[in-house]
Amino acid sequence: RKEVEQDPGPFNVPEGATVAFNCTYSNSASQSFFWYRQDCRKEPKLLMSVYSSGNEDGRFTAQLNRASQYISLLIRDSKLSDSATYLCVVNGEDDKIIFGKGTRLHILP
Amino acid sequence: NAGVTQTPKFQVLKTGQSMTLQCAQDMNHEYMSWYRQDPGMGLRLIHYSVGAGITDQGEVPNGYNVSRSTTEDFPLRLLSAAPSQTSVYFCASTKSGLYEQYFGPGTRLTVT
Repeated sequence: RKEVEQDPGPFNVPEGATVAFNCTYSNSASQSFFWYRQDCRKEPKLLMSVYSSGNEDGRFTAQLNRASQYISLLIRDSKLSDSATYLCVVNGEDDKIIFGKGTRLHILP
Repeated sequence: NAGVTQTPKFQVLKTGQSMTLQCAQDMNHEYMSWYRQDPGMGLRLIHYSVGAGITDQGEVPNGYNVSRSTTEDFPLRLLSAAPSQTSVYFCASTKSGLYEQYFGPGTRLTVT
């Protein structure tokens, strides 16, 4: 099993729809989880941290399921500007930082 | 705070040339990393450092060297450039593996 796995997409979603991505991780001892956003040819930027109790930031909701070892990102009322690649990040053994390959999202007008 | 800075922004090299990509951060972060990203692909870790004087290999270290003599700087050296090293290189820093990473704007390298 890969350390961090994401569906590469692309997800083609009409504007205003709700879309959700999952990311699975293999190390049950992982403690830190993040979602990053990367626009084309730009550096990744933190979208949100993922807390055990789940957390929400405006239209974005992140959740952690430790039993099944995955995190999720839900985007409500999607905007054209949400089109990007979403990267899942998990800390692995010895504090290593592990990035998923990313999920591409296209919001369609 | 400037955050993470990288120079140069763009570089073209001929096969066999060597060069150093510079990375600096002013956040007093112990942990710094170098990634490469090829078109349509994810980030691949080249080398990382958990503090001054300590470096370790990532997923794709061949053809690259690093050193970490200060907390602030983490240069990446290409020893003898090859066309396969054409890529976008990102440097990142963080307090530790448990915290968010901050990325530099990237260096776009072309090797002909």
